[in-house]
Amino acid sequence: QKEVEQNSGPLSVPEGAIASLNCTYSDRGSQSFFWYRQYSGKSPELIMFIYSNGDKEDGRFTAQLNKASQYVSLLIRDSQPSDSATYLCAVNHHTGNQFYFGTGTSLTVIP
Amino acid sequence: SQTIHQWPATLVQPVGSPLSLECTVEGTSNPNLYWYRQAAGRGLQLLFYSVGIGQISSEVPQNLSASRPQDRQFILSSKKLLLSDSGFYLCAWSVAVTNQPQHFGDGTRLSIL
Repeated sequence: QKEVEQNSGPLSVPEGAIASLNCTYSDRGSQSFFWYRQYSGKSPELIMFIYSNGDKEDGRFTAQLNKASQYVSLLIRDSQPSDSATYLCAVNHHTGNQFYFGTGTSLTVIP
Repeated sequence: SQTIHQWPATLVQPVGSPLSLECTVEGTSNPNLYWYRQAAGRGLQLLFYSVGIGQISSEVPQNLSASRPQDRQFILSSKKLLLSDSGFYLCAWSVAVTNQPQHFGDGTRLSIL
C-alpha cells in the first residue's frame, strides 16, 4: 500500500467552477500535509499546508484535513486556466525528516 | 529570505559518463536537504536526504551517490550513468522541525544518450 494516494485524473473543470482534489494517506502518524502545484516542465511550488483537523483558507484555495478518515483535500474556487497543472499531495511524519508524495492529480481548467 | 540554487538546468550526457549535480541553499542554517528524481509523467522518487554535514540516508539502491561537504551544499554524483538515470532531478530543503514544508530548486533535466 502506498503511503499517499491521489487520483491521477485528468480532472477537467470549466473556468469559474470549484476544483476538488483529494488525497488519502496510510500512516496515522502523519502530522503535516502539503499541497504543491507543478506546471509541466517546472519544479513543484508550495500552495499551502495544514496540520490541524478542519479547513484552512488562503485566497481561492482551501485545504481540508480529516485525520480520522485519513484524507486531505484541496479546493480551488473560481478556477482559472492558469490553475491547469499537476497537484501533488505530500505528508510528513512526526520525525520531520521524510516527506511522502502522491503521484499527483492533473487538473485542466477549460476556458 | 531563503533561496535554493540548483545547476545545471539541463544536461545531456552519454551512457557511462560521470555525473555531478550541485545544490546550495542560502538564508538558513542546518537545513534538511533532499534529492528527488521524477521520471516523465511520474511522481517524485526520493533518492537521498541529509540532516547534517556528512550524514546521508539513501532511499533507493542504485548507481547514484550523494554527499554533503558543507552545511548548505548537497551534491548528487554518479561514476557511470545508465539510460535509466534520465529524468528530472530536484533538490529540496526544509527546516529540521515538523509541520514545515519542503522547498524545491528549479531542477535539472538530465538526458542520457
